[in-house]
Amino acid sequence: QKEVEQDPGPLSVPEGAIVSLNCTYSNSAFQYFMWYRQYSRKGPELLMYTYSSGNKEDGRFTAQVDKSSKYISLFIRDSQPSDSATYLCAMGGEGSNYQLIWGAGTKLIIKP
Amino acid sequence: ETGVTQSPTHLIKTRGQQVTLRCSSQSGHNTVSWYQQALGQGPQFIFQYYREEENGRGNFPPRFSGLQFPNYSSELNVNALELDDSALYLCASSWTGGLGDTQYFGPGTRLTVL
Repeated sequence: QKEVEQDPGPLSVPEGAIVSLNCTYSNSAFQYFMWYRQYSRKGPELLMYTYSSGNKEDGRFTAQVDKSSKYISLFIRDSQPSDSATYLCAMGGEGSNYQLIWGAGTKLIIKP
Repeated sequence: ETGVTQSPTHLIKTRGQQVTLRCSSQSGHNTVSWYQQALGQGPQFIFQYYREEENGRGNFPPRFSGLQFPNYSSELNVNALELDDSALYLCASSWTGGLGDTQYFGPGTRLTVL
């Protein structure tokens, strides 16, 4: 079993829909949680960062961390075709020797 | 666009050969991290350099080595290439290298080993 599990998709939704992306993890010592977006032929770009648990909102993006369930989510409101990309969760902490452990990424397609 | 650049963009090598990949970090960033991203997978941490010293290493064999230079450039060297080394190699720069510090990724070098 991988330390971080993420459904690879693809996830295809119509423009304007609310998108929910998720990751589960097994290491309860993780404290740092990130979401990255990666466009084709580009490096990952940090979207959201949460330390410990709770919610964080930035524009159309909301990140949630539920440490009791070892589950993190990224919500995208009013999705746009330009949001089409691969979304990677990454996390770490004492349990990973402070190295980032990444999910495999979910490919998201927003249909106009 | 981040200020992180990588060269070359693509590279084809033969099994057993050696390769050097290059990265230019954002000015002022003391830390560079290197990742391997296989097709359809998330990045895997190879190692990190802070002010020219190796500062952490992932589960990669010693044939993966690196250098960081004072001018914010760095190298990833891979000896005795294997077919499984085929992947996208990403470098990322940051101020301190801590997990709470934003990493800025380059576009990557696509390495194919035949």
